[in-house]
Amino acid sequence: DAGITQSPRHKVTETGTPVTLRCHQTENHRYMYWYRQDPGHGLRLIHYSYGVKDTDKGEVSDGYSVSRSKTEDFLLTLESATSSQTSVYFCAISESGGPSTDTQYFGPGTRLTVL
Amino acid sequence: KQEVTQIPAALSVPEGENLVLNCSFTDSAIYNLQWFRQDPGKGLTSLLLIQSSQREQTSGRLNASLDKSSGRSTLYIAASQPGDSATYLCAVLQSGGGADGLTFGKGTHLIIQP
Repeated sequence: DAGITQSPRHKVTETGTPVTLRCHQTENHRYMYWYRQDPGHGLRLIHYSYGVKDTDKGEVSDGYSVSRSKTEDFLLTLESATSSQTSVYFCAISESGGPSTDTQYFGPGTRLTVL
Repeated sequence: KQEVTQIPAALSVPEGENLVLNCSFTDSAIYNLQWFRQDPGKGLTSLLLIQSSQREQTSGRLNASLDKSSGRSTLYIAASQPGDSATYLCAVLQSGGGADGLTFGKGTHLIIQP
């Protein structure tokens, strides 16, 4: 299994509070991604990174920000959590991110509940 | 905007049967198509990746095909086993841009009856 860990694995928070989720990889892969998974919607891309300090928005980026100061860590921040951000969040990594045989490897997920 | 559809949404079959899961996508400008497996409460496990120039890939009892021009892929599972019970996800990587991430279907929930 690819060396990807996510922390915390479970979190319950209240509306309006800031939340930061962490993804850590030991594979030295260049690309990192944050997805959310919701019933009826499947997995959707929030943000991605193609290198240290290089990030871009995905399909559902509103209300989220990201940072990547080191190759191995990709942080997802909810500045002011809302109930609509209750979801399971998955981090993924890939070596090249483009037209290649590289697959994306997924972490175990973080279950976030916003009350 | 790319859309990925998986049919059926759920499937229950007796052990030992061969089965086919279907995936369709609306935009044929893709780099690759990937099939994943997800067990309840777990992350995603990559099963097969088919590049846009390929027609099929095989791994053990799994065979995935790709018809890019028609926007379709199938995942064939031979001699199904109870351990194959899981949700199977199809995803495409769009071409023509940066590493924009995968576009996923909503999955097929598969139950193999012992």
